[in-house]
Parts: sequence; structure tokens; C-alpha cells
Amino acid sequence: DQQVKQNSPSLSVQEGRISILNCDYTNSMFDYFLWYKKYPAEGPTFLISISSIKDKNEDGRFTVFLNKSAKHLSLHIVPSQPGDSAVYFCAASALRNNNDMRFGAGTRLTVKP
Amino acid sequence: ETGVTQSPTHLIKTRGQQVTLRCSSQSGHNTVSWYQQALGQGPQFIFQYYREEENGRGNFPPRFSGLQFPNYSSELNVNALELDDSALYLCASSLPPKGSGYTFGSGTRLTVV
Repeated sequence: DQQVKQNSPSLSVQEGRISILNCDYTNSMFDYFLWYKKYPAEGPTFLISISSIKDKNEDGRFTVFLNKSAKHLSLHIVPSQPGDSAVYFCAASALRNNNDMRFGAGTRLTVKP
Repeated sequence: ETGVTQSPTHLIKTRGQQVTLRCSSQSGHNTVSWYQQALGQGPQFIFQYYREEENGRGNFPPRFSGLQFPNYSSELNVNALELDDSALYLCASSLPPKGSGYTFGSGTRLTVV
């Protein structure tokens, strides 16, 4: 069962523009959401998170938006840089059972110089 | 502060064989989670160990088993290997067992032939 979905396998943007990565979830018990970034031959690294009591969390160039009614979250990267080129995974968990973190299939972002 | 290290990095096994994958957690982390990432998919939760006890399990059969040692390092054992077990196996450590604090290793690429 695919409880976390990233429907865009890839995204290409120009350096300096905004990158928007989307994620949908189906399990209403999820109340904690995370984005991870993965470079080839490396493990995923934590990027940014948001709990369900918020609808926005910002960290430098990265902002995550959460729309609970639509069960949708998005990651905005502004401005995009070539070093941001990686696979981005959306993940979700229920804090009550936060040992089972569900991941989406990932979106490969390519930022062109 | 060392990160999470996994060994071996690559492994080829024959169907029906058994395999043991190893993970050294980041210094000070007492929780280890194991994930399986099949090609083109996101990581899927196998199980988590917290202070040497299993602390949750995903939808994987009993032939997937694990251990955590007093130094918080961990092993993943898979018996009766099947072709579909071919994947990247990721280990993540954290303190306490919260998603935002996960530090992932680079993974072990297992190929079953």
C-alpha cells in the first residue's frame, strides 16, 4: 500500500528559479512529515520537517508547506542551485508510532546552470 | 563524530542462501532502523531496534530478522534469499527514535541471482 506518493519521478528547473516538489499521503494518522535528499552512492540526508500543527516551515532556501485537508505537502527551493540536484524523498510518520516512517518513491531534481 | 557505516557495500548471493548485513550506528545513537529500497522505489521500513529490543516491524516476512548489540551496532539477517530481495538496504540511527534525527548509512547493495 502506497501511503505516501510522489507522482513526479523527475523535475528539471533552471538555476535561480523555484523548484516545487509535491507529495500526497493517504493515511490521516500521519502527523509528522519530512523531506530527505539523496545523492548517488550516499544515504538519504534529512532536509526539513513539519508537524501537523503547522502549515509552513522554513529553513533558508527550503520551505515545506502542509495542506492537511488535501493531504498534500510540498517542498519549495528558492533559488535553486545546481548542487540541489538530487533525489528528494517525502516521508511521513505518526508520532504515536514514529518508528514506522513511510517514504514516497522520490523525485529526481535536476537544476540546470 | 562518525556517521553510520554499513558493510559490505556490495554483495552477490544465490537464491536460497542466507545473508548478514552490518551497521555501526552514529556515536551516541541508541536506535537503529533498517529499510529496503528496491529500484525506483522509496525506502520501505523493515524494523527498528531500540536499546537492543525490536521496536516495531514493517510488512516483511519472518525470514528478515535482526539484532542490536550493547554498543548499538546492528545486523540484518535474511534467510532463504529470493530474487525479489535484491535491493539497497539502508540502515539509519537516531536518538531517540524520531524521524527527524535519522542518520542514514550509504547502504548495502544486495543482488540475488
